Amino acid sequence: AQTVTQSQPEMSVQEAETVTLSCTYDTSESDYYLFWYKQPPSRQMILVIRQEAYKQQNATENRFSVNFQKAAKSFSLKISDSQLGDAAMYFCAYRSGATDSWGKFQFGAGTQVVVTP
Amino acid sequence: GAGVSQSPSNKVTEKGKDVELRCDPISGHTALYWYRQSLGQGLEFLIYFQGNSAPDKSGLPSDRFSAERTGGSVSTLTIQRTQQEDSAVYLCASSSTIPQGNGYTFGSGTRLTVV
Repeated sequence: AQTVTQSQPEMSVQEAETVTLSCTYDTSESDYYLFWYKQPPSRQMILVIRQEAYKQQNATENRFSVNFQKAAKSFSLKISDSQLGDAAMYFCAYRSGATDSWGKFQFGAGTQVVVTP
Repeated sequence: GAGVSQSPSNKVTEKGKDVELRCDPISGHTALYWYRQSLGQGLEFLIYFQGNSAPDKSGLPSDRFSAERTGGSVSTLTIQRTQQEDSAVYLCASSSTIPQGNGYTFGSGTRLTVV
């Protein structure tokens, strides 16, 4: 079974600064996908960024980028030039590439990001 | 629809009552998922439907929980004889047929409070 661990319950960052959220996972699979989701107070989970395990290049989406260390099973999210709208709970998630189990995501416990003016 | 729609947004029920939570996925999405998010915790997988295949019910916590999906579209999650530990946000999501690398599109959830 796969597990996803987010060790930081809360992170605080000032506007325009950079914050990095950590995520580690445990798996014996070679084919999988990793995601970061954002959950604002509206409760709707919003996909921030995704990474295919077979790709060595780190994914980037505007101000969001990841540091994917496959051997270390680490998948951290960096938010650059933080904005007040970035304040939310962030979840790291794992999805198997196996056809018979792709329907299930394993989520971490989340990291609350607080952005101060 | 343009997004995943869930109703009701909030539900307060008395212990022992049955509740039904509804999810209307994005049009054309063949896969539909239910997750539960207890206070301060991550998401816990409950069940997912893929097309006409038998649903994967492996995450349902007890036989008081059931779900159905009619016509490959709308899904209803039913909790019978609700207990206080059932209080949580129930999130629904949908995705297209080709799952590899794709994330889900989530609804805004139903907050269930059992008193």
